[in-house]
This record gives sequence, structure tokens and C-alpha cells, in this order.
Amino acid sequence: QQPVQSPQAVILREGEDAVINCSSSKALYSVHWYRQKHGEAPVFLMILLKGGEQKGHEKISASFNEKKQQSSLYLTASQLSYSGTYFCGTKTGTASKLTFGTGTRLQVTL
Amino acid sequence: DTGVSQDPRHKITKRGQNVTFRCDPISEHNRLYWYRQTLGQGPEFLTYFQNEAQLEKSRLLSDRFSAERPKGSFSTLEIQRTEQGDSAMYLCASSATGSLSTDTQYFGPGTRLTVL
Repeated sequence: QQPVQSPQAVILREGEDAVINCSSSKALYSVHWYRQKHGEAPVFLMILLKGGEQKGHEKISASFNEKKQQSSLYLTASQLSYSGTYFCGTKTGTASKLTFGTGTRLQVTL
Repeated sequence: DTGVSQDPRHKITKRGQNVTFRCDPISEHNRLYWYRQTLGQGPEFLTYFQNEAQLEKSRLLSDRFSAERPKGSFSTLEIQRTEQGDSAMYLCASSATGSLSTDTQYFGPGTRLTVL
């Protein structure tokens, strides 16, 4: 089964914060976050490994709760360029394929 | 390094025709993946290669689909006797393995297939 993301969609004003959640029913080995703009390829944001630390850079960070099999992506002081659909991709072991979540559509307005 | 490239970017075909897509991975990456994405959905895994070996195929991949990576560099994905349900974006990704690698997958721009 694919991971479930919440919310499905969110609209923000520029400068506001947002949290996107990704939940899996399976034990996770790693979580990979991507942002995809309409008609373009998914762009890698960050990876969280089991047993690893919270990752982040500047205004985008993420956490991984291994006990709950959940990851959260934090967007602070959002910019117009943050608009797009965010996907979490999960691995349940060292197998290579990613199983992508249901997606969260984020729109940042002025 | 120019990243993952795919060709063609768009393909329109009639039902029943065969189509072939090409993917060139990032040069030092030994793993190559194919995914399919339909509107409003996340990418769905189809198959992946490590070097020239095809290590996993999704059950989504019917007998009409075949993929190759003959010399462990570029890969091709062929769909025979296309159906309207094959209409989708076909994405290729590549990654590097190794002790210092996190096996992060980087995606190409995709090939959008429309079957009429």
C-alpha cells in the first residue's frame, strides 16, 4: 500500500508556515521527499534514514518518527517558489524501489 | 553533469502501435529506474536495473512492456500494442550505490505518452 499524505492540499500566503505529513502502514527504512511542479519531473528535496537525524536546510526541514512510521516536512516562511505537489517516497528495506505517497498540493499566494 | 535525460519528451501514437523510450542516466550512476505517473498521482514503480541486470519488475508491468539496459548505461522501455490506458508520463531516475551513497534517486524530465 502507498503511504498516505496529509493534508491533500493547502493554500498559504507568502511567509506562512506549513507541515506535510506522510504515514505508512509498513516499517520504514527511509523516507525521500520530492517536490513536483506541473508538467515537470519530481525534484529531490531530502532523505531521512532510519536511525538518522532530522534533516534540513534553510527553511525546509523534515523529521522521521520510526516508531509511528511517519515523516513530516516543515516549510517555514514559504515563498512563491515552494508551490507544487509534494510527494514522500518510502523504502521498507534496502530494496531500491520507492513507493510514493498520495501527494500534497501546495499553493503559495501573495 | 547534465542530469538524467529522456527522449522523446512527448509521444503521440495510435492504439496498437509500438513505442520505445530512451533514458540516459547521470554518468556515474549504476542504478536506473522506470516509473509511470498518471495525472494527480504519485509515480508508480515499474522496474529497475543495477548496471545491466534487471533486478525487479512490478506486477503492473504486463507482458507488453519490456525494458533493457544493454551495457549498463542508457536504458530503453518498449511498449508493444499500446492501449489507451498506457497514456501517462514515463519517468526515468538514476542513483548511485556505495558505502557513502544514500541511493538518492534523481529524475529525468519524463516522456509523456498519449495513446489515441
